[in-house]
Amino acid sequence: DVKVTQSSRYLVKRTGEKVFLECVQDMDHENMFWYRQDPGLGLRLIYFSYDVKMKEKGDIPEGYSVSREKKERFSLILESASTNQTSMYLCASSPGVGEAFFGQGTRLTVV
Amino acid sequence: GENVEQHPSTLSVQEGDSAVIKCTYSDSASNYFPWYKQELGKRPQLIIDIRSNVGEKKDQRIAVTLNKTAKHFSLHITETQPEDSAVYFCAASIYGNNRLAFGKGNQVVVIP
Repeated sequence: DVKVTQSSRYLVKRTGEKVFLECVQDMDHENMFWYRQDPGLGLRLIYFSYDVKMKEKGDIPEGYSVSREKKERFSLILESASTNQTSMYLCASSPGVGEAFFGQGTRLTVV
Repeated sequence: GENVEQHPSTLSVQEGDSAVIKCTYSDSASNYFPWYKQELGKRPQLIIDIRSNVGEKKDQRIAVTLNKTAKHFSLHITETQPEDSAVYFCAASIYGNNRLAFGKGNQVVVIP
């Protein structure tokens, strides 16, 4: 069974804080993704990585950065959290072709 | 980049009836079209996918059809049951490419 695990289910942070969202997968997948899910807007790609230390911007990268130092771990960083970054964040991994496997999501609230 | 649109945004059906969700895509190079189901409070999970070398694929009560000329594909759910109530996302990509473009999702409500 593929497992994609996000470090927190719920997170509350203050405006201006640096926030780290962690994601770990146990299936040796090359590709990892960070999406943001908002009502009525679907799943929007923030960043993805197709190899260790490799990253590419998605559709909404502004205000975010990522880190992939090890194949199994992909971190999303909010350099200075703002209230408009309050959202559900979903991590996913895939083997390069076919199915993407999602984590359980982190609901981030920035106050 | 690829742009995927889903219609309708919300669909209510009586239990036992069929539900159809349609998606259109913009990039004629796309050749892989998965559908994900997200139940309330849960993660999205793949339910069916199709590649462009076939026009239809079925898995029990679920089927997907693809019209490459018109650049649209549809999810068909027959004999709907309450457990089919969920948000359904379509997506498109070039098979082997890392990047899926998702639609905005359809809320399907099955009325008992």
